Amino acid sequence: DTAVSQTPKYLVTQMGNDKSIKCEQNLGHDTMYWYKQDSKKFLKIMFSYNNKELIINETVPNRFSPKSPDKAHLNLHINSLELGDSAVYFCASSHEISGLRGYTFGSGTRLTVV
Amino acid sequence: DQQVKQNSPSLSVQEGRISILNCDYTNSMFDYFLWYKKYPAEGPTFLISISSIKDKNEDGRFTVFLNKSAKHLSLHIVPSQPGDSAVYFCAASDQGGSEKLVFGKGTKLTVNP
Repeated sequence: DTAVSQTPKYLVTQMGNDKSIKCEQNLGHDTMYWYKQDSKKFLKIMFSYNNKELIINETVPNRFSPKSPDKAHLNLHINSLELGDSAVYFCASSHEISGLRGYTFGSGTRLTVV
Repeated sequence: DQQVKQNSPSLSVQEGRISILNCDYTNSMFDYFLWYKKYPAEGPTFLISISSIKDKNEDGRFTVFLNKSAKHLSLHIVPSQPGDSAVYFCAASDQGGSEKLVFGKGTKLTVNP
């Protein structure tokens, strides 16, 4: 009954490959996000979707393409993987309670590009 | 351009004592602040939050203080317990704008038995 679940948890792949990370939330939240935690440990937002509509795109390379088939799912597809893409990717979701947003994170996907 | 700063990368305290974690921000549009706790190989877990209309919010052993004029917030944990050992992230958002969370770099808290 995990609230925000991501698969896979670990992903090791070679440079130049294309890979996808999947995310699902069963909280009924209306907004979903992808965050990246790089080697310097900064957690930075990449994308945000509200009810399947892209609302934030933080100057992420075009090789990264999010897809939201419905408001419970937000997948991340990465083309032509590069060494610098190695990081931990966190999916999150949020909804508004009394005018403020509550955010819930998944457990992360550690991507290693070799 | 770090909008949320946690200047102490680590903090070590004795069990039973108070832990104080600090956070500074630069964006005056931020009006909602959150603390997250993160264990290795897990995602950040929500701990406590505060809206800019308040200067203090308390939940059990955890209290967050907000000083808007100084653009500073702090998380107090008292008494500290070994299970509190984790990385603590401060986050801020502009609830009237994009609502995205902007995170600090985190402070690793170690509570020694």
